[in-house]
Amino acid sequence: KQEVTQIPAALSVPEGENLVLNCSFTDSAIYNLQWFRQDPGKGLTSLLLIQSSQREQTSGRLNASLDKSSGRSTLYIAASQPGDSATYLCAVRGSKKETSGSRLTFGEGTQLTVNP
Amino acid sequence: DTGVSQDPRHKITKRGQNVTFRCDPISEHNRLYWYRQTLGQGPEFLTYFQNEAQLEKSRLLSDRFSAERPKGSFSTLEIQRTEQGDSAMYLCASSLGVHEQYFGPGTRLTVT
Repeated sequence: KQEVTQIPAALSVPEGENLVLNCSFTDSAIYNLQWFRQDPGKGLTSLLLIQSSQREQTSGRLNASLDKSSGRSTLYIAASQPGDSATYLCAVRGSKKETSGSRLTFGEGTQLTVNP
Repeated sequence: DTGVSQDPRHKITKRGQNVTFRCDPISEHNRLYWYRQTLGQGPEFLTYFQNEAQLEKSRLLSDRFSAERPKGSFSTLEIQRTEQGDSAMYLCASSLGVHEQYFGPGTRLTVT
């Protein structure tokens, strides 16, 4: 059974700081990995998707990397802003049909607070 | 707005009542997913459809839960005889095949 862990559970940083959020997963047989943002009481906004064959993806101030063999991904946020405050969720999609290849398995998230 | 929409956004019900939620996916997406999220946790998979066929159900989906996607477009999730433990955010997502999943705003259910 796939398990996804995110560290740290919470992070508070001053504005302008660069930061790294970590995600690890137990089964390396993944199809892709998505990073999401969730504001309190809201749905999920997809930030980046990395296919299993890719090493990283970039969007603006965000960069996500994937090391499938070690079961790890990181989300790097450059020059953080108060508007980045939210919960960041990592999710993996399995590649094996017999092990539920269509569902996303989520971590519990990292709650980020960027202080002005 | 061409994103995933869900209705209602909030639902308060008394224990034992039945509730039904609706999800409208992005129009060209053939796959539709339901997830449940409790406070402080990541979403957990419930079920998914490819077109009108329900292809997978999680063990979380007890006999009191039923989902349909009758014409391969919108979907409904019904919970019968609600319990306090059903209180959660119910999230719907859609995708085109195995590509990126896009989520709706969710329906927050409170069972009193």
